[in-house]
Amino acid sequence: AQKVTQAQTEISVVEKEDVTLDCVYETRDTTYYLFWYKQPPSGELVFLIRRNSFDEQNEISGRYSWNFQKSTSSFNFTITASQVVDSAVYFCALGAAAGNKLTFGGGTRVLVKP
Amino acid sequence: EPEVTQTPSHQVTQMGQEVILRCVPISNHLYFYWYRQILGQKVEFLVSFYNNEISEKSEIFDDQFSVERPDGSNFTLKIRSTKLEDSAMYFCASRQRLQVSYEQYFGPGTRLTVT
Repeated sequence: AQKVTQAQTEISVVEKEDVTLDCVYETRDTTYYLFWYKQPPSGELVFLIRRNSFDEQNEISGRYSWNFQKSTSSFNFTITASQVVDSAVYFCALGAAAGNKLTFGGGTRVLVKP
Repeated sequence: EPEVTQTPSHQVTQMGQEVILRCVPISNHLYFYWYRQILGQKVEFLVSFYNNEISEKSEIFDDQFSVERPDGSNFTLKIRSTKLEDSAMYFCASRQRLQVSYEQYFGPGTRLTVT
């Protein structure tokens, strides 16, 4: 069975601060995919980033960066220099081999204050 | 940029009524999904659909639920006899099978309110 845990339920920061969101996952699959999705107040789910289980290289994409550590089953996500528009609920999700469902964590609400 | 669309955006129905939620996946995608999100909770998988049949379903997806791809573009979720606890946001998603990346692209959701 797959499981995703986001221990932080809500994070509040002031604009321009960095925000790091924690995600811990459980799976027995050797090949899997990890994702971060953003859900703004309007309700839609917006894909942000993806990482494959066989590639632990951490990357930066604009103001987003992620730290994937297979040894600790963690896939943390950082927003650098946060902006008010970053206020949303952020979901970490796990998917196994092709075609399979996504298992979502409980989400972390990020509130960026001006 | 291609996107998944869903109609209606909001549906209000009485308990016991049948509802059909509609989705138009991205045109060259082959895998289709329904998820639901009860207000304030996590997004939960309902069912996946490939090659005109269900490939996986969750415990939530019981006999009152069904899915169909009636033509080459639409993908529907039917709830036969709605219950109060079916009130939720329902998301449709699709994915292109041959793409290296496996992200699912989500529609904007249909908010279902059962009274």
